[in-house]
Amino acid sequence: DIQMTQSPSSVSASVGDTVTITCRASQGISSWLAWYQQKPGKAPQVLIYAASSLQSGVPSRFSGSGSGTDFTLTISRLQPEDFATYYCQHASNSPPRTFGQGTKVDIK
Amino acid sequence: QLQLQESGPGLVKPSQTLSLTCAVFGGYVRSGDYSWSWIRQAPGKGLEWIGYIYQNGSTSYNPSLKIRATISADRSKNQFSLKMIPVTAADTAVYYCAREACGVWSGGLCYSYYFDVWGRGTLVTVSS
Repeated sequence: DIQMTQSPSSVSASVGDTVTITCRASQGISSWLAWYQQKPGKAPQVLIYAASSLQSGVPSRFSGSGSGTDFTLTISRLQPEDFATYYCQHASNSPPRTFGQGTKVDIK
Repeated sequence: QLQLQESGPGLVKPSQTLSLTCAVFGGYVRSGDYSWSWIRQAPGKGLEWIGYIYQNGSTSYNPSLKIRATISADRSKNQFSLKMIPVTAADTAVYYCAREACGVWSGGLCYSYYFDVWGRGTLVTVSS
């Protein structure tokens, strides 16, 4: 199975900051990666699919990049509603689906 | 707009069967190029994919759970279900159902899926 490793596990930031989260796959997965945001007590919501495609309705301050084994989620101009936990997910057409362990973004 | 709603017992005894159902509203489990998944999250932990059922009825499971989990779909009721047996305290979690959509089409083949719609989740506690 392909393992997904996120870093950092947590990050403290202020409103207006730019935050970068990285995700590394244990083997190459082309651009088959998705990013999700989860707020406490809520289901995750997709932000990015296919590594860099923004899901409809998601603010443009969220962006994704990368291919192969190394991927990045960037949140520009951090807003109060962006404080949450973020997960990457191996999203190829070959199961099993695997998630990173999560990165918590909290207020500095 | 597609909506998913999980239902089932909130408390299950160890060694017994966990049974959950996901009702689908605003769409159909047996149409379109979609898979229908179960994902769980233990308290304070990350997300774990359990398995899916594809619109044609084929299934796939997390190897770590495969022998205990079964996912099925009922077209007449427009819902899909999860059964896990036997359960232990380690199966205590919030269980989510979710739809997988295709993110990248090429040459008539989908190369990448992602979870685009989620249910609210239901907490299942395994305890005697």
